[in-house]
Amino acid sequence: DTAVSQTPKYLVTQMGNDKSIKCEQNLGHDTMYWYKQDSKKFLKIMFSYNNKELIINETVPNRFSPKSPDKAHLNLHINSLELGDSAVYFCASSQAKDRPYEKLFFGSGTQLSVL
Amino acid sequence: RKEVEQDPGPFNVPEGATVAFNCTYSNSASQSFFWYRQDCRKEPKLLMSVYSSGNEDGRFTAQLNRASQYISLLIRDSKLSDSATYLCVVKSNAGKSTFGDGTTLTVKP
Repeated sequence: DTAVSQTPKYLVTQMGNDKSIKCEQNLGHDTMYWYKQDSKKFLKIMFSYNNKELIINETVPNRFSPKSPDKAHLNLHINSLELGDSAVYFCASSQAKDRPYEKLFFGSGTQLSVL
Repeated sequence: RKEVEQDPGPFNVPEGATVAFNCTYSNSASQSFFWYRQDCRKEPKLLMSVYSSGNEDGRFTAQLNRASQYISLLIRDSKLSDSATYLCVVKSNAGKSTFGDGTTLTVKP
């Protein structure tokens, strides 16, 4: 069973569209994250939720809205897609946000291409 | 200044070589430290945590110097399969994990 699964794996869409990426973890973890990896391969945190509560919200445009219906799911909705949104988006989870050496478990990524 | 800075690389080494990567971090209150490995078009995976006393896992040795805010990774007897991007990760006491920009290693026959 995949520990952290995200769908879709590939997403190709036109500028201005609205799209969602879904993420689910079956590890029983409390904390989930969204990371963005751009074309230069830089991996940056976007959001983090702990037990459905938003705890990290980096400087991300309002067009990006995370939603956590329960602690096993963290979805990412993007409105009015722009060319610069093209990247690989990784979902991740960890057991607890503030245990020092908890490792991150990543999903396999969603490659978003905005045309 | 970036929160986490790594050697830019790329490193191209022959099989069997020893190679070392360095990483510095800016937040002296950082709580924990890691090296992750990322293969092309794949997700990052934990290689090893980095403890204050230093730690070793087979051919891999990680060191932490809190006074200098410096982390290192040493790979001995490089294998072709070690070719990847190595990411230094620093976690704050608020639970935020910040990734360095990565160092690319290519091990050649």
